[in-house]
Amino acid sequence: AQKITQTQPGMFVQEKEAVTLDCTYDTSDPSYGLFWYKQPSSGEMIFLIYQGSYDQQNATEGRYSLNFQKARKSANLVISASQLGDSAMYFCAMRELIDQGGKLIFGQGTELSVKP
Amino acid sequence: KAGVTQTPRYLIKTRGQQVTLSCSPISGHRSVSWYQQTPGQGLQFLFEYFSETQRNKGNFPGRFSGRQFSNSRSEMNVSTLELGDSALYLCASSPASTSQTQYFGPGTRLLVL
Repeated sequence: AQKITQTQPGMFVQEKEAVTLDCTYDTSDPSYGLFWYKQPSSGEMIFLIYQGSYDQQNATEGRYSLNFQKARKSANLVISASQLGDSAMYFCAMRELIDQGGKLIFGQGTELSVKP
Repeated sequence: KAGVTQTPRYLIKTRGQQVTLSCSPISGHRSVSWYQQTPGQGLQFLFEYFSETQRNKGNFPGRFSGRQFSNSRSEMNVSTLELGDSALYLCASSPASTSQTQYFGPGTRLLVL
């Protein structure tokens, strides 16, 4: 079964507008972490934002915020004021703490294109 | 602080050969994880090393192996290369095995002919 699901293979957004990238997850572990990474065409994975399963507030990092709805098992990424440089692949990932060590489980990704 | 570095960045090999990829983590980071990224399978976890010990392993055949040195640098080796091993291999480091956030290097693009 898919543990991380990103249902939007591709998204378009106008420059300066906000965009939401969807992510749902599946786990029975009560303790887990959720991540978003950005991958430009160069290939490097860039860490954007992290949300712990016990965090009471939604995580924010600059223009990035994570809309965490635990009961619905969703962790959507919101990018405000989109910029041309935001065009990239975006991956949602989860780490379950029952896994000893750093194993991230990734979704299939969403390709975001920002239009001028 | 310098980021995660990976060498080489690009590699072309033929079937049956073996290859060794190298990863130097961020200074002070002791955990190194490896991932394989392909268009068909996406990003998949290979293994994680912490203090020279493999702590976790993904679902890959024994042809894939790794190790970590006392300075936390890590290598992964793939023996008897197959066409399907063509991929982007990403290395990530974190301060400790229980640390949440992993920071990735630029990757090594391997093409097997």
